[in-house]
Amino acid sequence: DAGVTQSPTHLIKTRGQQVTLRCSPKSGHDTVSWYQQALGQGPQFIFQYYEEEERQRGNFPDRFSGHQFPNYSSELNVNALLLGDSALYLCASSLGSKNTEAFFGQGTRLTVV
Amino acid sequence: SQKIEQNSEALNIQEGKTATLTCNYTNYSPAYLQWYRQDPGRGPVFLLLIRENEKEKRKERLKVTFDTTLKQSLFHITASQPADSATYLCALNSNYQLIWGAGTKLIIKP
Repeated sequence: DAGVTQSPTHLIKTRGQQVTLRCSPKSGHDTVSWYQQALGQGPQFIFQYYEEEERQRGNFPDRFSGHQFPNYSSELNVNALLLGDSALYLCASSLGSKNTEAFFGQGTRLTVV
Repeated sequence: SQKIEQNSEALNIQEGKTATLTCNYTNYSPAYLQWYRQDPGRGPVFLLLIRENEKEKRKERLKVTFDTTLKQSLFHITASQPADSATYLCALNSNYQLIWGAGTKLIIKP
């Protein structure tokens, strides 16, 4: 049973560019949440997708957008990258929306230069 | 605003002793609280969930307590081992999101 998989694992982008991160949830899970984690900090909630709809959004600008596909996989898009967007981006999957026992991928380390 | 605080300094514990980590929160009444372990460069791994009507939860060498009056959770690792060295994060559910503390780095010395 595959857990949560994220791709790519590492990425280097230039300021102003756009990036797409991908996530496949754990088998049987229907909800995907995205988090941004800066070094030495706890994860910060970006948004959650359920039934292909954005259910809730955290305090992130519109440059951050996402999508969920019918097979429950998800993408996170970030436009007009800033240096401050450098972080570990985590995808978490769960069954239902309550995020009890969320399963996380290994994350995508994004570096903006 | 909702706030979660964990020991910001690293906790150094001798192997075999009990490690106790603290999670305090304010301006919030969570239905449940979760503890996760995170190793460097990896995603968090779920350890335990405790609900507001539960005082204590155990799993093998792990124990979590939840005091909704004090707005505090304690996380204990008994008979600690060097392999327990990691950052431990607590998280509270708020609507559809998890709100996280910054984590406490635990170092178990042989």
